[in-house]
Amino acid sequence: KNEVEQSPQNLTAQEGEFITINCSYSVGISALHWLQQHPGGGIVSLFMLSSGKKKHGRLIATINIQEKHSSLHITASHPRDSAVYICAVKAGQFYFGTGTSLTVIP
Amino acid sequence: KAGVTQTPRYLIKTRGQQVTLSCSPISGHRSVSWYQQTPGQGLQFLFEYFSETQRNKGNFPGRFSGRQFSNSRSEMNVSTLELGDSALYLCASSLGSRASLDTQYFGPGTRLTVL
Repeated sequence: KNEVEQSPQNLTAQEGEFITINCSYSVGISALHWLQQHPGGGIVSLFMLSSGKKKHGRLIATINIQEKHSSLHITASHPRDSAVYICAVKAGQFYFGTGTSLTVIP
Repeated sequence: KAGVTQTPRYLIKTRGQQVTLSCSPISGHRSVSWYQQTPGQGLQFLFEYFSETQRNKGNFPGRFSGRQFSNSRSEMNVSTLELGDSALYLCASSLGSRASLDTQYFGPGTRLTVL
């Protein structure tokens, strides 16, 4: 049983499209993190959420603690957004989703 | 500030050997976490350290161990290597005592291949 489920697994979008990636979790958490991993392995932390909503540029992350669900939105997607997006939650240890591979086509 | 550094970047070992990987956190960061990433299992949590104390541990066998030094640098050791230990090992540092509530900064990883 996976503590963290992400959808979709793969996503292809045209440049400029609005993108949503979903994350559901089954454990009680202290926080949820969204990570971005580009080809070559480097991981960057995009957001840390414990409630509500956060926005950085074109990226928006929301969390609903009662429903145990979070979404990552990318507005006006760009080819440089092509990466794997990973949801992670901390419940004692960290649990990770399997990632969403996003490809944005020019 | 320099980022998180990991050494070595690439390593090839044979089954049965042991290996030690090193992680130097961002200056001033006191929390270090280790992760294993494989194509089949994705990212998995290994350990979390703060001020030389292991705060949390993932579901890995006792062959995987780690420690943190007084300068916050951390090492992880894998003994009796198995083929399935081939993976990218990532280290991340954060400022405070609770990695869940701080932004984590990831190193480039050590790519371990076990033959």
